[in-house]
Order: sequence, then structure tokens, then C-alpha cells
Amino acid sequence: EPEVTQTPSHQVTQMGQEVILRCVPISNHLYFYWYRQILGQKVEFLVSFYNNEISEKSEIFDDQFSVERPDGSNFTLKIRSTKLEDSAMYFCASSEQGSTYNSPLHFGNGTRLTVT
Amino acid sequence: LAKTTQPISMDSYEGQEVNITCSHNNIATNDYITWYQQFPSQGPRFIIQGYKTKVTNEVASLFIPADRKSSTLSLPRVSLSDTAVYYCLVGGNTDKLIFGTGTRLQVFP
Repeated sequence: EPEVTQTPSHQVTQMGQEVILRCVPISNHLYFYWYRQILGQKVEFLVSFYNNEISEKSEIFDDQFSVERPDGSNFTLKIRSTKLEDSAMYFCASSEQGSTYNSPLHFGNGTRLTVT
Repeated sequence: LAKTTQPISMDSYEGQEVNITCSHNNIATNDYITWYQQFPSQGPRFIIQGYKTKVTNEVASLFIPADRKSSTLSLPRVSLSDTAVYYCLVGGNTDKLIFGTGTRLQVFP
């Protein structure tokens, strides 16, 4: 079964540094998402992306965050200047037709970001 | 966006049937109901989705009454490996799918 893959599995960075989290969505999927989960808390929506632009974003997704699909296979989340409170598990997801067409999301196993 | 309410936790024993109910009183006409499962340190995994009545797949059944203001995920004969958090999501008009706090299911031997 096709999978969403995320790299790295664990990233440690110092406060103020930039990080890029990488994801390879399922190949025929057109909609891409980033979620995060702070330890012990619920899964939080960050952003959705379709047709090379952001379709929805949450209040968490402020100017320090950006997303990009640099080529036909990767989908990245960049955090420009990390803060301690950015420490979380970051999940990438993809969907064939998007949730507006009730197409389920397929999640990767996440990147654990630790900001020190 | 329709808000969902689920029990925070449930306990069960191996071999039993588990039913987890989710309330979504302000569900919209074109909203679907989707359930996900999450194991520790893993991403959520799609289980089942439905619009009305009953849907069954190899993993679970989903029961949705006529008014669609609630839904029940039914897991037949659970095993220890079904210990996880189960999320009910409702949506259809947006790509901004919101997870609630979910139901933490603990299965005992």
C-alpha cells in the first residue's frame, strides 16, 4: 500500500535556527497537509495545499512558517526561526481529492522536532 | 465547522465489541463523518467514513442515525493491538479538517 514518507524522523535544532521538514506524499494525490501534535495534546491543523498554493491555514501557521512543493514529489514545511514552543511531532498528510470531496487523509509517521 | 464530542477514554477486554459514540449536533448537509486511529508516535490512520445509515469494512462498522447528529464506531472483538486513540472528524466544505481530543481506548487482556 502506498505510504506518505517523512524525513527526518527526528530533528534537533537550536532556538532561532531554520528547519525544513520533508515529506513525500502518495504519488497520485493532489492535496497536501501539515499537522502538528505537541506531546500529550491533540493533533492540530497547520495548513492545506493544493495546486501550488495554500488553500487553508490555521492561526498557528504564522509568518515563520512556509510550505513548498519544490518538485513533483516533495512537500516541505519550513520554520524560519524556531522557538521552544515549536517542539512537537509534525505530520504530513496527502489526499487524493481533498477533504471537500470527502477523500480521506493519509498521514506519514511524523518528524519529531525538538528545539533546544 | 461541526464540532464533535467524544468520551475521553474507554476500557475494554480482548474479544469484546467496542462502540465509541461521537456527537456532532451541528453537522452540515454535505458533511461526511470520518474516523481515524492513532497509535503512540505514529500518524493518524484512516479507519472508516460514512454519510448516513451503516458502513462496514474489514476493520470496523460505522452507524449513523437518520438525523446524523451522532455516529458510532463499532470495533468487533478487539485485541490488545486496538489500544489507541480514536478520532471522529466531521467535514465536507473545507480542507481544514480539525481533530478533537479523541477517545483513548485501552484494551486489557
